[in-house]
Amino acid sequence: DVKVTQSSRYLVKRTGEKVFLECVQDMDHENMFWYRQDPGLGLRLIYFSYDVKMKEKGDIPEGYSVSREKKERFSLILESASTNQTSMYLCASSPVDTYEQYFGPGTRLTVT
Amino acid sequence: AQRVTQPEKLLSVFKGAPVELKCNYSYSGSPELFWYVQYSRQRLQLLLRHISRESIKGFTADLNKGETSFHLKKPFAQEEDSAMYYCALRGTSYGKLTFGQGTILTVHP
Repeated sequence: DVKVTQSSRYLVKRTGEKVFLECVQDMDHENMFWYRQDPGLGLRLIYFSYDVKMKEKGDIPEGYSVSREKKERFSLILESASTNQTSMYLCASSPVDTYEQYFGPGTRLTVT
Repeated sequence: AQRVTQPEKLLSVFKGAPVELKCNYSYSGSPELFWYVQYSRQRLQLLLRHISRESIKGFTADLNKGETSFHLKKPFAQEEDSAMYYCALRGTSYGKLTFGQGTILTVHP
């Protein structure tokens, strides 16, 4: 059974804090993605990674960074959280043959 | 640049009625189109992809390159179809998907 897990379902942080969101997949997928999901805006890609230590900016990378030191783990980092980063964050992974993306359950981050 | 537009944020139908969720795309190459669905308290999952030309849970979608559309259709909606639906497009870059804004479908009894 395909599994993508995210470290927290709910997270509350203060403005200015450094925030780490962790994502782990057990399917040996090459590609991993971070999205944010906002009502009326759909899913917007923040960053993606197509291999260990490789990353590319998505559509809204400002204020975020990522780390992929191992194939199964992809971390999203908010260097200094701001209230406009309050959102649902979804992680996904995909193989390079079908490109079907498998999603995690999401982390709802609130920045106060 | 690639873009996906879902013009309806909300769509309500009664059980047994036909339903069509609209999706239009903009892409200069040959796209691959998908529909993803998110049921209440479940994770986002793939519903169908245009290259497989399957019917999943009674839903079908045909890629119309002339109209740059990939509308999702079901002839008889069921209450369990109530969910958020996203249309997505894959260009050529590493399986990166561009998603539409999403449509919340509510099927009333």
